[in-house]
Amino acid sequence: KAGVTQTPRYLIKTRGQQVTLSCSPISGHRSVSWYQQTPGQGLQFLFEYFSETQRNKGNFPGRFSGRQFSNSRSEMNVSTLELGDSALYLCASSRWTAGYQETQYFGPGTRLLVL
Amino acid sequence: DQQVKQNSPSLSVQEGRISILNCDYTNSMFDYFLWYKKYPAEGPTFLISISSIKDKNEDGRFTVFLNKSAKHLSLHIVPSQPGDSAVYFCAASARIVGNQFYFGTGTSLTVIP
Repeated sequence: KAGVTQTPRYLIKTRGQQVTLSCSPISGHRSVSWYQQTPGQGLQFLFEYFSETQRNKGNFPGRFSGRQFSNSRSEMNVSTLELGDSALYLCASSRWTAGYQETQYFGPGTRLLVL
Repeated sequence: DQQVKQNSPSLSVQEGRISILNCDYTNSMFDYFLWYKKYPAEGPTFLISISSIKDKNEDGRFTVFLNKSAKHLSLHIVPSQPGDSAVYFCAASARIVGNQFYFGTGTSLTVIP
C-alpha cells in the first residue's frame, strides 16, 4: 500500500509570496492533518480535515489555510509568507473508526525556505 | 501551552544497552499515546502505541509504559542499536472527544557503537 505523499519536497520563496503544498493520503484514509516543524518546537498542529471539512484547528494565523478534496487529497496554502514560516511542513493521514482517530502516518514533508 | 513534554532534548546510550525515553503530559483526558521516530529530512515513522486501558505494550525491542497517575509514559529500547539513532517524538490524543494529536518537542537519541 502506498504511503502518504507530499509535493513538492522542497520550495524556496521570498517574503510576501504565497505557497501551496499538496498531500495525498494513504488509500482509505479520510483524515488529513498538517503540522509545522521548526527546530526546538516539535510538531505544531495546523489543522485537520475529514471528509472535506475542517475538524480541528491549531493556533496559527489566518494566513495558513487548507482544504480537502472529495478524493481525500489535501492542500495547504500560506499567503504573505514571512521569514518565520521557513519550516518542514508535514502531512499525516489516518482513519476514523467508530468515532476514534486511529494512528497517524506521516509523509516525507515539504521543506519550505522563505528568503 | 505544551500539553505533552519531553524534557530531555538528547540522550546518548552505548550499543546493546537500554535506551529510556520519557514523556509527560498534563491533560487527564488523553487516552491514546504514540511514539514516532524521525530521521533527518524524513517524516516521522510510527513506532508503537498504547491506549489508556493498558499500562504496557511491547513490539519487539520496543516497549511503552504508561503511568496514568503520574501522567507519564516512557519508551524502552532493548537492546539499543546504532540504527536507532534518531529523534523520538511522543504524541497523545483525547480520542473520545475527537481531539487532535499533541506532540512533544522530541528527544534526540544517539546510540554509540
